[in-house]
Amino acid sequence: DAKTTQPTSMDCAEGRAANLPCNHSTISGNEYVYWYRQIHSQGPQYIIHGLKNNETNEMASLIITEDRKSSTLILPHATLRDTAVYYCIVRSGGSQGNLIFGKGTKLSVKP
Amino acid sequence: DTAVSQTPKYLVTQMGNDKSIKCEQNLGHDTMYWYKQDSKKFLKIMFSYNNKELIINETVPNRFSPKSPDKAHLNLHINSLELGDSAVYFCASSQGTSGRFNEQFFGPGTRLTVL
Repeated sequence: DAKTTQPTSMDCAEGRAANLPCNHSTISGNEYVYWYRQIHSQGPQYIIHGLKNNETNEMASLIITEDRKSSTLILPHATLRDTAVYYCIVRSGGSQGNLIFGKGTKLSVKP
Repeated sequence: DTAVSQTPKYLVTQMGNDKSIKCEQNLGHDTMYWYKQDSKKFLKIMFSYNNKELIINETVPNRFSPKSPDKAHLNLHINSLELGDSAVYFCASSQGTSGRFNEQFFGPGTRLTVL
């Protein structure tokens, strides 16, 4: 599975959009981009995933560049409860299922 | 209803003891996992079971033995506990293992402290 690079930490004002970048320049054609988050002392929570097209669900939007070498997770209206560590993970479609978590981005949403 | 549940939530025990952590999912998923999160917050896969069969066994000491009595349960038994086993253990489940169906649902975690 391809490696990902994320900023260590980011701040966002409450009510504003939070844009979390992820670099995955070695991604291959059958690898999906997954985003999870972990709120303090809780289990990781799935947010969204995509292959080539941009995706949107009730939690967030995922924007994948045309060359697929990077992506951005967008939380459109961040709240204090969105403060968490956000993990960008790249996995192949045929892999055995395990997620390889990196260090993630610590997002702090401030009032 | 809780999708993925683990018991106990906290476990404090002495070195050398044997302990078990239980996990149950009511999502009808075929695949279940155990992850370990150490004090530095790194989250690593330990085991993965698909339809009650082991499909992933990362470099984990054989003191750790997962057992899957049925698709809804994956228990973790740990023999001869060591100080380094202190961590938070997360159970997870997913519909399948391929990229399209690998949205994993995690349990609340079990904080194990070995004294």
